[in-house]
Amino acid sequence: GAVVSQHPSRVICKSGTSVKIECRSLDFQATTMFWYRQFPKQSLMLMATSNEGSKATYEQGVEKDKFLINHASLTLSTLTVTSAHPEDSSFYICSARGSGRLQETQYFGPGTRLLVL
Amino acid sequence: GDSVTQMEGPVTLSEEAFLTINCTYTATGYPSLFWYVQYPGEGLQLLLKATKADDKGSNKGFEATYRKETTSFHLEKGSVQVSDSAVYFCALSAGGGYQKVTFGTGTKLQVIP
Repeated sequence: GAVVSQHPSRVICKSGTSVKIECRSLDFQATTMFWYRQFPKQSLMLMATSNEGSKATYEQGVEKDKFLINHASLTLSTLTVTSAHPEDSSFYICSARGSGRLQETQYFGPGTRLLVL
Repeated sequence: GDSVTQMEGPVTLSEEAFLTINCTYTATGYPSLFWYVQYPGEGLQLLLKATKADDKGSNKGFEATYRKETTSFHLEKGSVQVSDSAVYFCALSAGGGYQKVTFGTGTKLQVIP
């Protein structure tokens, strides 16, 4: 149980275009979802936290207008990188936290590798 | 604020060697502690966790004990395999609920035949 999927797993786009990444909890309801960014050979940097039906809370230094997060349902959150530039190239990972016994652990998706040309 | 400190890698071991990856933390209250593993090109997988002092988390031959007195959560395995080659992240979550997870910088393990 507690499986999280991401789509797409890899995306290449041209500079200036927008890219949407989906994060789904497959077998549980995710009351909270998190979006991370991982640079090569570095740890995960939390970008934002979102609760279903409310606006996301962004970490300091993360541009909310550039990284749009929508948590429209208890099983789906999306991250849209708007007007992507090469410096946005990275590995984006989502995680989800449920309720009850699933509350204490974040379950991670497999990640989405974004390459902006 | 909360923080996690891991030993720097990379760590290179021969197959069947004993593994220890050190992890210490700073947090208010009583955090839950985790080890996550990331295989090349993949996302993070929860390896094991402990939610209170003296708890031992274990999985796939790995284990770690929550030591409140030394604020540590060292990862150990008695006999590593080539398939254990990955990056290991120590992490904590303070207070449960909606609290975010704080990660260490990760330790790369390479096991050679």
